[in-house]
Amino acid sequence: ETGVTQTPRHLVMGMTNKKSLKCEQHLGHNAMYWYKQSAKKPLELMFVYNFKEQTENNSVPSRFSPECPNSSHLFLHLHTLQPEDSALYLCASSRTGSRSYNEQFFGPGTRLTVL
Amino acid sequence: GQQLNQSPQSMFIQEGEDVSMNCTSSSIFNTWLWYKQDPGEGPVLLIALYKAGELTSNGRLTAQFGITRKDSFLNISASIPSDVGIYFCAGPPPGGGADGLTFGKGTHLIIQP
Repeated sequence: ETGVTQTPRHLVMGMTNKKSLKCEQHLGHNAMYWYKQSAKKPLELMFVYNFKEQTENNSVPSRFSPECPNSSHLFLHLHTLQPEDSALYLCASSRTGSRSYNEQFFGPGTRLTVL
Repeated sequence: GQQLNQSPQSMFIQEGEDVSMNCTSSSIFNTWLWYKQDPGEGPVLLIALYKAGELTSNGRLTAQFGITRKDSFLNISASIPSDVGIYFCAGPPPGGGADGLTFGKGTHLIIQP
């Protein structure tokens, strides 16, 4: 248990569906991240939020839409996805303003399958 | 973008053996992180390194921040079955701030009893 939870753990959706992934951190951190992990590829950074403000969008297609209502919660809204978007989506958090700000703590991920 | 190259890609070892793996980059990193990922789970932070030449241990794990700042090493002594998993090195891109991490592709450790 790392203090970062993600729901759902597994999701199967069609290309025309709309779904959302949820992440919650209980560590008192102020930065949150979305990563995509595909087979045989390094983890890819998607979005960064620092104090609820989006500070990075790593050239992610608009069919992925993040939302960060507060420093503890992060969502990833999905719509009209493609089969190649099937992957493990990982949420992470960290505490900025200290030497350890790069120490990111990950949730267990959501395994997404797009049919 | 920056790339982290991990070696080896996979290791097949006997229980009780020591393990060594490394991570290299063409760019200088100011922080090196080592994570382990078990199947179906997210990566778990093992060791963080902040200074060139730094040697840090966490139980049977020891990691070193290379003096060139372009590489890092992870050693596991007396491996046990629960050490099986994928080990990733990671680091923040230059510039600081709350940036995401750059990850290597991982070293897959397999232990034969």
